[in-house]
Amino acid sequence: NAGVTQTPKFQVLKTGQSMTLQCAQDMNHNSMYWYRQDPGMGLRLIYYSASEGTTDKGEVPNGYNVSRLNKREFSLRLESAAPSQTSVYFCASPDRKGVTQYFGPGTRLTVL
Amino acid sequence: GQQVMQIPQYQHVQEGEDFTTYCNSSTTLSNIQWYKQRPGGHPVFLIQLVKSGEVKKQKRLTFQFGEAKKNSSLHITATQTTDVGTYFCARLTGTASKLTFGTGTRLQVTL
Repeated sequence: NAGVTQTPKFQVLKTGQSMTLQCAQDMNHNSMYWYRQDPGMGLRLIYYSASEGTTDKGEVPNGYNVSRLNKREFSLRLESAAPSQTSVYFCASPDRKGVTQYFGPGTRLTVL
Repeated sequence: GQQVMQIPQYQHVQEGEDFTTYCNSSTTLSNIQWYKQRPGGHPVFLIQLVKSGEVKKQKRLTFQFGEAKKNSSLHITATQTTDVGTYFCARLTGTASKLTFGTGTRLQVTL
């Protein structure tokens, strides 16, 4: 039981390049989330998926797209990366009561 | 969105000293959660408080929710080097379990 897994762990992109961050959970949870964390700041919600087949914007969705591929997987895509998207990205999934959020290990992204 | 402010931003203590971080909101909170994030790690859920005046303890950690449900605190008694990290408060909103995080308090503990 791995919980929440994310790939890759690290990535360096050039401005304008695209990439997809992958997230998977094996806890059979319905909801999944993408957050970003910038230095000195708390985490901010980018997009979320309350259930398979649904996605919604969070606080900072501009420049991102998401896909809820199935109940296990939720991916985050940067179509044209910008330096402002340099951040640590965390995927999370709450338990069935919606209380305890389980976070993945994070993807550290640098855009040059 | 509605802000959740945390103070202090940073605190450096010697091992054995106590530590407190405060979380304040301008509006009434239905709940408050606390997370710990070790350096280079991911946030780990510690606790959720929902009742006015609620106090919960986990070993050396004491969590409080204010009577007016507009503030909360985390107190660590006799800090250890294993307490190093950033402590975040967060409020859970809506039916979709979205979290709004405070800015965090970074704790450094030295021998």
